[in-house]
Amino acid sequence: EVQLVQSGVEVKKPGESLKISCKASGFSFANYYIAWVRQMPGRGLEWMGIIYPGDAETRYSPSFQGQVTISADKSTKTVYLLWSSLKASDTATYYCARHLSNVVGTNWFDPWGQGTLVTVSS
Amino acid sequence: SSELTQDPAVSVALGQTVRITCQGDSLRSYYASWYQQKAGQAPVVVVNGKNNRPSGIPDRFSGSSSGNTASLTITVAQAEDEADYYCNSRDSSGNQLFGGGTKLTVL
Repeated sequence: EVQLVQSGVEVKKPGESLKISCKASGFSFANYYIAWVRQMPGRGLEWMGIIYPGDAETRYSPSFQGQVTISADKSTKTVYLLWSSLKASDTATYYCARHLSNVVGTNWFDPWGQGTLVTVSS
Repeated sequence: SSELTQDPAVSVALGQTVRITCQGDSLRSYYASWYQQKAGQAPVVVVNGKNNRPSGIPDRFSGSSSGNTASLTITVAQAEDEADYYCNSRDSSGNQLFGGGTKLTVL
């Protein structure tokens, strides 16, 4: 079964660092892009960035460039999302998702992880 | 502009047909994909590309596109179709775009 399993709920204080994870199984991890998507409370989906574990190529949304770091570990088939200094506005649910595309340029995300709720509060 | 615009809310009577739309310049060049997100759950793709349904998605879900508008149509809407629906495409730079989402209520 193709699946992505994310790490659990996090409660942090402003200024703290955090790394959340997304472990893949059931497919060739190195050969697919994995994306991170933010969903703030009661709001829509926002694409944060993407990584190709095969060569660690990363691409960030302009809105998130410099705010987070995406990395991958091929040995454990895990993708990470890292903050060096959290803000209250980082409170959200974060999803990882496998990115797929076809020859005519259509892309989609499937499957999605179950989501990691991050709460940042003093 | 690099945005996708959706109506915030749509309603449909049980058993009727509803169309959810998504507008954006990028849709003139790239097909949209559509996701269903039920309360407290992760999104699930229901249509990708021109009109492709992943395995397990009922055939009452279909996609179409014309000009700068993509549409998701649900025929014979069921109570379990009540959810938020998001469109997704890409811009010319390769960045991914999501619409703001449409909350579907089944009456």
